[in-house]
Amino acid sequence: DAGVIQSPRHEVTEMGQEVTLRCKPISGHNSLFWYRQTMMRGLELLIYFNNNVPIDDSGMPEDRFSAKMPNASFSTLKIQPSEPRDSAVYFCASSLGGKRTEAFFGQGTRLTVV
Amino acid sequence: AQSVTQLGSHVSVSEGALVLLRCNYSSSVPPYLFWYVQYPNQGLQLLLKYTSAATLVKGINGFEAEFKKSETSFHLTKPSAHMSDAAEYFCAVSGDGNTGKLIFGQGTTLQVKP
Repeated sequence: DAGVIQSPRHEVTEMGQEVTLRCKPISGHNSLFWYRQTMMRGLELLIYFNNNVPIDDSGMPEDRFSAKMPNASFSTLKIQPSEPRDSAVYFCASSLGGKRTEAFFGQGTRLTVV
Repeated sequence: AQSVTQLGSHVSVSEGALVLLRCNYSSSVPPYLFWYVQYPNQGLQLLLKYTSAATLVKGINGFEAEFKKSETSFHLTKPSAHMSDAAEYFCAVSGDGNTGKLIFGQGTTLQVKP
């Protein structure tokens, strides 16, 4: 398996624009997670899905953020409108689910909002 | 709620010296603990995990960690540092429930001096 695949790797956009980040989890994994990494806050869990259903989105910072998982092999994280403070590295991770299982991370998307 | 604290945001060692990265956890239930490594511009990669079997866990690249319930610790060690070990290291604990979500510490940057 190619691992968790994220696209794009880098995104530069202007404030106010819509940004969509994409993720393809590892085949067979039941859980999918979106994390955000910044120098100030470290790694924050934004939202996670189990069997394509959002379980907990309490980490989503504002209504400007939304995430979907239309099927087991694809998820998106959308920011609309984007703001400079959204600049960060966004990671998608997937796992088999359960407390004992590790999460496998994608390479991340580095988002810069100017 | 589960949490982890990594003591020391930066650790510097000489090549060949012992590496010790500290992690303490807080958990209301028996914890499952993980160490991840992040190289520059990369995603997170699992080093090792503790899932209530042996208290001394061996991982990749010569790293190991010991679970000590009495000290609520899960410190990461390596007998002899290599230049290639320079990276950021994250300790994580499984969150509430059985979802597999991970709660991460703030990370420790390891510098290896020649």
